Amino acid sequence: DAKTTQPTSMDCAEGRAANLPCNHSTISGNEYVYWYRQIHSQGPQYIIHGLKNNETNEMASLIITEDRKSSTLILPHATLRDTAVYYCIALGAGGTSYGKLTFGQGTILTVHP
Amino acid sequence: GAGVSQSPSNKVTEKGKDVELRCDPISGHTALYWYRQSLGQGLEFLIYFQGNSAPDKSGLPSDRFSAERTGGSVSTLTIQRTQQEDSAVYLCASSRYRDSYNEQFFGPGTRLTVL
Repeated sequence: DAKTTQPTSMDCAEGRAANLPCNHSTISGNEYVYWYRQIHSQGPQYIIHGLKNNETNEMASLIITEDRKSSTLILPHATLRDTAVYYCIALGAGGTSYGKLTFGQGTILTVHP
Repeated sequence: GAGVSQSPSNKVTEKGKDVELRCDPISGHTALYWYRQSLGQGLEFLIYFQGNSAPDKSGLPSDRFSAERTGGSVSTLTIQRTQQEDSAVYLCASSRYRDSYNEQFFGPGTRLTVL
């Protein structure tokens, strides 16, 4: 699975958009980009995933560059409850790696009033 | 609807004792996963069950760890002769599997402390 690189921490003002970058320069053609987050003392929570097209759901938007070497997770109107560690993962949809989520250090997003 | 539930939420045990951790996945989810997360560390895959297939045990750290899933639903993770390095939060997740992506739904975890 491709290695991902994220900033250690980011701050965002409440109500503003939070843009979390992720580099995955060695991603292969069949690997999806997934985003999970983990709020303190809770289990991880799925946010969004994508292959090569931009994606949007009720929680966030995912922008993937054309060469797929990087992506950005966008929380359009961050709230205090969005304070969490955000994990970017590149993972194939099948094969021996299926289901084996491996989180690195992620990005600690702090949303402040 | 109900999410993934785990019990107990906290477990304190003495070194050398056996412990059992329970996971109730979301109804209808055919895939079930166990992970652990040590303090300040990332997520570590332990074992994966899919339907009636043989489980993928490739992440179990030693033969003291075992897991079973009865009736394709509830799962139990057993740690024998616990060691202090087993202290961690043990997380269970489930997914529908037939989806083309890894959207896993996690439980709140069991915090295991080995004294």
